[in-house]
Amino acid sequence: AQSVTQLDSQVPVFEEAPVELRCNYSSSVSVYLFWYVQYPNQGLQLLLKYLSGSTLVESINGFEAEFNKSQTSFHLRKPSVHISDTAEYFCAVSVLNTGFQKLVFGTGTRLLVSP
Amino acid sequence: GAVVSQHPSWVICKSGTSVKIECRSLDFQATTMFWYRQFPKQSLMLMATSNEGSKATYEQGVEKDKFLINHASLTLSTLTVTSAHPEDSSFYICSARDFPEAFFGQGTRLTVV
Repeated sequence: AQSVTQLDSQVPVFEEAPVELRCNYSSSVSVYLFWYVQYPNQGLQLLLKYLSGSTLVESINGFEAEFNKSQTSFHLRKPSVHISDTAEYFCAVSVLNTGFQKLVFGTGTRLLVSP
Repeated sequence: GAVVSQHPSWVICKSGTSVKIECRSLDFQATTMFWYRQFPKQSLMLMATSNEGSKATYEQGVEKDKFLINHASLTLSTLTVTSAHPEDSSFYICSARDFPEAFFGQGTRLTVV
């Protein structure tokens, strides 16, 4: 069965510093990969996705993630974070053998940005 | 992106009563919706897959009789927590697929007292 691993439960960083949130998945079949952000007491918002094509995907607010098939990774990066980026970030995968229907989530990484 | 509306955003109920949570896809039709449960500082746990016009598919370990799911139309799925107990207190989130993406409701904080 597919799984998603987010090794870092919490990542503290200073404002304007770069950050990388790690995500690894296990699947032997084709996957779609997603990053979602969750603010306190809210649902999840799609940050970016990889479906096919270019392995580097970008969001409108400066985040990017790169699909690395050989390392089965989809790490999220941002060159300069803001206080407002403080949130919980979830990596998720959907796989071909479920018709890409089910999303499997990682355990989440809390990004804490301080001044 | 597409909008999924979940209602209510929070509810407090007495132990033994039932609570209904609604999930609506506002600007697209969703033949499949998903219900998740999230414990504090934890990830989302898929409870069930709701299919329009047919029975929901529950994940292993989820009690079908306690968590009743109805997906009567292409834009509405409901989750009813029956005979709620304090251990059912949690954050419940619904999701609708507008393939290949999934859009999430705002979540419902259920507190059973």
